Amino acid sequence: QKEVEQNSGPLSVPEGAIASLNCTYSDRGSQSFFWYRQYSGKSPELIMSIYSNGDKEDGRFTAQLNKASQYVSLLIRDSQPSDSATYLCAVNEGYSTLTFGKGTMLLVSP
Amino acid sequence: NAGVTQTPKFRILKIGQSMTLQCTQDMNHNYMYWYRQDPGMGLKLIYYSVGAGITDKGEVPNGYNVSRSTTEDFPLRLELAAPSQTSVYFCASSYGDWTGIGNTIYFGEGSWLTVV
Repeated sequence: QKEVEQNSGPLSVPEGAIASLNCTYSDRGSQSFFWYRQYSGKSPELIMSIYSNGDKEDGRFTAQLNKASQYVSLLIRDSQPSDSATYLCAVNEGYSTLTFGKGTMLLVSP
Repeated sequence: NAGVTQTPKFRILKIGQSMTLQCTQDMNHNYMYWYRQDPGMGLKLIYYSVGAGITDKGEVPNGYNVSRSTTEDFPLRLELAAPSQTSVYFCASSYGDWTGIGNTIYFGEGSWLTVV
């Protein structure tokens, strides 16, 4: 059973701080990794995707991948109250299906 | 461009009843999926399809059936509803490729189902 593990949180950070969200996965053959944001009562929306070891930056978001350690993370710089949501880590599982973690709840206080 | 459209948004079923959740996408995506999400949990794949006429089971297929007669539509059938099927159901689609690289999955708005 392929697994994607995330700390459920909540992770609480003050406005303007850096939020660090972490995810580990069990399948060494996984090739693509995604971070989705889900507001309460809404559907998930894609924030970042990463396929190669290292960092990928997009605005205030940075995804980091370490395939040797089977670890992927998401950094959110200058966190805003509007970033408060659950962040889902997802890993590909062949045929373009994804395995999702349970998500980490992020709370950004003003 | 509507994306992925699911209906109904809310439904209450009695134990033993059956119903179909409808899903339509207008992005000409080959891949379509049904996920369920229980409170505080991640998304679990129920069924998926890689093209019209082709479907396959995901992680939690028991109690459900699907069909894919067209590229656009991917209905999910619940037979003999049970309280364990109380959940939020998300339909999704993607262009997809076998490696998963570049695969962005687009979700519908969700269907809240309660079985009493």
